[in-house]
Amino acid sequence: KNEVEQSPQNLTAQEGEFITINCSYSVGISALHWLQQHPGGGIVSLFMLSSGKKKHGRLIATINIQEKHSSLHITASHPRDSAVYICAVVGSLYGGSQGNLIFGKGTKLSVKP
Amino acid sequence: KAGVTQTPRYLIKTRGQQVTLSCSPISGHRSVSWYQQTPGQGLQFLFEYFSETQRNKGNFPGRFSGRQFSNSRSEMNVSTLELGDSALYLCASSFLTGGSVANEKLFFGSGTQLSVL
Repeated sequence: KNEVEQSPQNLTAQEGEFITINCSYSVGISALHWLQQHPGGGIVSLFMLSSGKKKHGRLIATINIQEKHSSLHITASHPRDSAVYICAVVGSLYGGSQGNLIFGKGTKLSVKP
Repeated sequence: KAGVTQTPRYLIKTRGQQVTLSCSPISGHRSVSWYQQTPGQGLQFLFEYFSETQRNKGNFPGRFSGRQFSNSRSEMNVSTLELGDSALYLCASSFLTGGSVANEKLFFGSGTQLSVL
């Protein structure tokens, strides 16, 4: 079982829809990152959070440390939001075999006009 | 401010060869970390450097090595290439005010796509 699980793996939405991507993890963490990767490989860091909620434009990220769960929400989705969204955690005791950051497999989002 | 620059963008090598990839961080950023991305394994952490010192290393064989120079530029080297080393190699930089680089916002380069034939 992966230490970081994302759902869904693939998501297709119509423009304007509200979107939620989930991330669950099994290790104790000190921080969680949400990343966005467009075709061609470039990765952009969207959020880094260790508690509560952060908002940037149409994007909202929340984390529940007790439940070991985080969500990324996109309001009023747009075709330019189409990308792979990746959750990554920092093990609090550097737990896991992957050192500093442990990544989920990503959620591929496609927003249709 | 210029972003994180990785060179080369694409590279084709044959099994047994070695390769060196370069990463220039954002000006003022002192921390550089490296990642491997493959379709099967996804993103995996390779190593993290700060002030020319390796602070953390992922679970990769000794054929993977890296270093950081006094100007914060970093290189990673893979010796005796194997077919399974074909991947997108990404580096990221951060300012690092303290603690682990993974607790700082990361700025990624566009990556080097390595193909091993």
